[in-house]
Amino acid sequence: QKEVEQNSGPLSVPEGAIASLNCTYSDRGSQSFFWYRQYSGKSPELIMSIYSNGDKEDGRFTAQLNKASQYVSLLIRDSQPSDSATYLCAVSRSGSNYQLIWGAGTKLIIKP
Amino acid sequence: GAVVSQHPSRVICKSGTSVKIECRSLDFQATTMFWYRQFPKQSLMLMATSNEGSKATYEQGVEKDKFLINHASLTLSTLTVTSAHPEDSSFYICSARDLLSGGKAEAFFGQGTRLTVV
Repeated sequence: QKEVEQNSGPLSVPEGAIASLNCTYSDRGSQSFFWYRQYSGKSPELIMSIYSNGDKEDGRFTAQLNKASQYVSLLIRDSQPSDSATYLCAVSRSGSNYQLIWGAGTKLIIKP
Repeated sequence: GAVVSQHPSRVICKSGTSVKIECRSLDFQATTMFWYRQFPKQSLMLMATSNEGSKATYEQGVEKDKFLINHASLTLSTLTVTSAHPEDSSFYICSARDLLSGGKAEAFFGQGTRLTVV
């Protein structure tokens, strides 16, 4: 079992619809959770961070965290073609104040 | 967000030569920096964790004598690929966390370096 699991995709979503990206993790002690977006040939950029259970909204993006289920998700509302990218989930490793565990990423394609 | 600058963005070198890649945190102190390698259509692969003033910690399977890491200050870490070979061609990315923010600190990435060894 991978420490952080994501569906590799590709996930295809029509323009204007809601894209839902999911991530599960195995380390029950993890406290910090991050979503990054990576365009082809570019380095990852931070989209959202979330630390407590529930929803966190930032513009068209909403991160959802459920520590009991060890599940974190990212919703993208009103999806745009420019949202097409690979989305990486990262989770802090418990007992370490600096290590992040990375998922393999989900490729998202927004179809015009 | 915090800014991490990586240089060069692209380099082509001859087989057998060495290449140095710099990673700077511009507006925060990065006690810890991370070096990743990413092959086309694959996930990030952590190569090593670079700690200021001490030896880097390498991941299993990464040759420390081939990938030399120096983190001499709180804002600069360097990765030197020694005696590069074509199989070292990859996208190298550095990342830093502002650990004064504690365990919640986000990781910020440099722009990446596309290394091609011919």
